[in-house]
Amino acid sequence: TQLLEQSPQFLSIQEGENLTVYCNSSSVFSSLQWYRQEPGEGPVLLVTVVTGGEVKKLKRLTFQFGDARKDSSLHITAAQPGDTGLYLCAGGAGGSNTGKLIFGQGTTLQVKP
Amino acid sequence: NAGVTQTPKFRILKIGQSMTLQCTQDMNHNYMYWYRQDPGMGLKLIYYSVGAGITDKGEVPNGYNVSRSTTEDFPLRLELAAPSQTSVYFCASSWGTDQPQHFGDGTRLSIL
Repeated sequence: TQLLEQSPQFLSIQEGENLTVYCNSSSVFSSLQWYRQEPGEGPVLLVTVVTGGEVKKLKRLTFQFGDARKDSSLHITAAQPGDTGLYLCAGGAGGSNTGKLIFGQGTTLQVKP
Repeated sequence: NAGVTQTPKFRILKIGQSMTLQCTQDMNHNYMYWYRQDPGMGLKLIYYSVGAGITDKGEVPNGYNVSRSTTEDFPLRLELAAPSQTSVYFCASSWGTDQPQHFGDGTRLSIL
């Protein structure tokens, strides 16, 4: 059974601080997706990484896929209150041809002004 | 630009009652999914479908059933509601493997 462990589960920081969220597994994934979810809404895709070692940037957010495609990280620089939300990583099984994703437990981020 | 639409948004059921959660998408996606989300547990896959007429069990299928008669619709049925099924249910769709999943806004279900 493929599992994705996210850490930390909860993070409360002040505006302007930096933070990193980790997503780890013992399994190899064909892709790793990061979603952000706000209260009362469904998750929305932030980024997909597919190549080992790949780094993608989205404004103040930096996403990295591990060289062995078993782990990923999300780094936020100078966090703002608008970054508050639940961050979910999800791994793709690739060869199953079902599009199924394995989700981590999520990291709840609270950025205080 | 509707995307994935779920109804109802909220529902309270009594133990033993039945109901159907509706999900429809207008993106012509072949792949559709039902998840439940419990606090601190991420998203757990209940059932999924790779096309009309094809469905399969996910990680937590017990107590649920699905059907997929059209590309657009993927309803989830609870036959005998139990308190353990109190959760937020999300429907999602995608057009292929390793592609983004598009989610509805969820159905918040309480069983008392």
